[in-house]
Amino acid sequence: DTGVSQDPRHKITKRGQNVTFRCDPISEHNRLYWYRQTLGQGPEFLTYFQNEAQLEKSRLLSDRFSAERPKGSFSTLEIQRTEQGDSAMYLCASSLEGASDEQYFGPGTRLTVT
Amino acid sequence: AQSVTQLDSQVPVFEEAPVELRCNYSSSVSVYLFWYVQYPNQGLQLLLKYLSGSTLVESINGFEAEFNKSQTSFHLRKPSVHISDTAEYFCAVSEGNTDKLIFGTGTRLQVFP
Repeated sequence: DTGVSQDPRHKITKRGQNVTFRCDPISEHNRLYWYRQTLGQGPEFLTYFQNEAQLEKSRLLSDRFSAERPKGSFSTLEIQRTEQGDSAMYLCASSLEGASDEQYFGPGTRLTVT
Repeated sequence: AQSVTQLDSQVPVFEEAPVELRCNYSSSVSVYLFWYVQYPNQGLQLLLKYLSGSTLVESINGFEAEFNKSQTSFHLRKPSVHISDTAEYFCAVSEGNTDKLIFGTGTRLQVFP
């Protein structure tokens, strides 16, 4: 296994369009996390899954954002009606389970909203 | 609410000099503490972590961090840095009852020859 992968690596979209990102975690990992990182900031937690169950969502995740992990494997993050403020790096991470386990991060999807 | 403060946004240092990257956190419960490193054009990688036990933890590449509960700090140190240590370093905390990581704003370590 080569680690956490994310697709696409870069996305440029016009304001108002919908975008969807995909994350494939390390295969035996039960936990999957989404973070957002803006320039000059550390990653900010968005949401996480234990298998297919979404256990926690940040208040950063407005109603335009939705995340799924339908079969407990890959996950998608969709942003509807994108705004310029959504421009950021979207990071996915996975871990075996438990707060003490290392989270392995993917390379991220850089979103630019014009 | 948890928060993490990295007091220095940039730390310039010459090769073979010692370095300390500072991290302070606030939490009302017991925490796990992490340092992640992001090399240029690469993803975040775990450098070291404190879960319990010995307050001094070490990485395989010579970094160490000490958990100080009374000062709520988890500073990262290396006695002699290399050019290859140039990277962004993020301190992070998670509380024992939740999985999410709360990150600091990062410290850019720039090592000069």
